[in-house]
Amino acid sequence: DAGVTQSPTHLIKTRGQQVTLRCSPKSGHDTVSWYQQALGQGPQFIFQYYEEEERQRGNFPDRFSGHQFPNYSSELNVNALLLGDSALYLCASSRVSQGYNEQFFGPGTRLTVL
Amino acid sequence: SQQGEEDPQALSIQEGENATMNCSYKTSINNLQWYRQNSGRGLVHLILIRSNEREKHSGRLRVTLDTSKKSSSLLITASRAADTASYFCATDDDGTGANNLFFGTGTRLTVIP
Repeated sequence: DAGVTQSPTHLIKTRGQQVTLRCSPKSGHDTVSWYQQALGQGPQFIFQYYEEEERQRGNFPDRFSGHQFPNYSSELNVNALLLGDSALYLCASSRVSQGYNEQFFGPGTRLTVL
Repeated sequence: SQQGEEDPQALSIQEGENATMNCSYKTSINNLQWYRQNSGRGLVHLILIRSNEREKHSGRLRVTLDTSKKSSSLLITASRAADTASYFCATDDDGTGANNLFFGTGTRLTVIP
């Protein structure tokens, strides 16, 4: 049973560019959440997708957008990249029917903005 | 903003000793979870404790929860070098009814062989 997978592992972009990160949830999970983790900090919630819709959103600008596909996989898009967007981006999946919020994380995508 | 706050920020112990990390949070919660992260990699779920539970065990891990003090502790017994990692507590509710996770800044544990 595959866990949460993310691609790519590492990514280097320049300021102003756009980036797309991808996530496949754990088998049987229907909810995907995205987190940003700056160096030395804890993860911060970006947004959550369920039934192909953004269900909740953290305190992130509209440059951060996402999508969930019918197979529950998800994409995170960031436009007009800033140096401060450099971070580890983590995807987590869960199953809403579980009734509690136990989330399983992928290995992350390390984004470096130059 | 992050609701959880771990203490201490860093902890260094000898292999075989016990390690205790504490977490404080600000608002009511449904549950609290502890995660481990090895050097810049993904988070590994360790244990979840619900708001109506006071203590939970999993292998060498023992978690306590005191909702009156809004605090939790993670005890790792008989530590091993492989336990070296950052440990985060995460709560599920910051008082807004959201069910995403709110993390603290973590405790960096170093176990010296």
